[in-house]
Amino acid sequence: EIVLTQSPATLSLSPGERATLSCRASQSVSSYLAWYQQKPGQAPRLLIYDASNRATGIPARFSGSGSGTDFTLTISSLEPEDFAVYYCQQRSNWRITFGGGTKVEIK
Amino acid sequence: EVQLVQSGAEVKKPGESLKISCKGSGYSFTSYWIGWVRQMPGKGLEWMGIIYPGDSDTRYSPSFQGQVTISADKSISTAYLQWSSLKASDTAMYYCARHGVGYCSGGSCSPLYNWFDPWGQGTLVTVSS
Repeated sequence: EIVLTQSPATLSLSPGERATLSCRASQSVSSYLAWYQQKPGQAPRLLIYDASNRATGIPARFSGSGSGTDFTLTISSLEPEDFAVYYCQQRSNWRITFGGGTKVEIK
Repeated sequence: EVQLVQSGAEVKKPGESLKISCKGSGYSFTSYWIGWVRQMPGKGLEWMGIIYPGDSDTRYSPSFQGQVTISADKSISTAYLQWSSLKASDTAMYYCARHGVGYCSGGSCSPLYNWFDPWGQGTLVTVSS
């Protein structure tokens, strides 16, 4: 099973700052990695698929990069509504795994 | 609009059975895999399994194999997650989510892509004596 490790666990930033979130896979997942945002009391929402493609309706301040084992989600300038928990996810050989999540909180 | 609507919150006692549902609309229900994801209180997301309603092919996470049953009724565009004997540790929010469109070759259909979108609103299951 491929393990996804997200870092940091918590990121304390102010609105307007840049957020950089990391997701590392225990073995290569090529570009087959997705990112989700989850706000309290809500279901997760797809942000990025195939490592770097924004989902429909996702603002341009969200971007994804990486391939193989190292991936990054960048929020260029944090808006108040961006403070949430972010998860990465992969599927390989009928096994789907999620990372443990990164909480982006207001500093 | 593609939508997944889940059944309402449940409160059960240990040992009881339960079946929760997820109804799809706005797309061809039989053509896309649907997954179930658990989120225990204050914790992260855990994949439980996926089902292809077109032929009911089902794949489970090893962590949930034998603990739950995933099924689908394509005649009413609904997927299900069920337990035969609940435990207190099953207390969690359960989400369904649409996975990849089925790519069929050689008699089986695999998900063509790897992400989940959209997600249902979640069903809170509380198991307490």
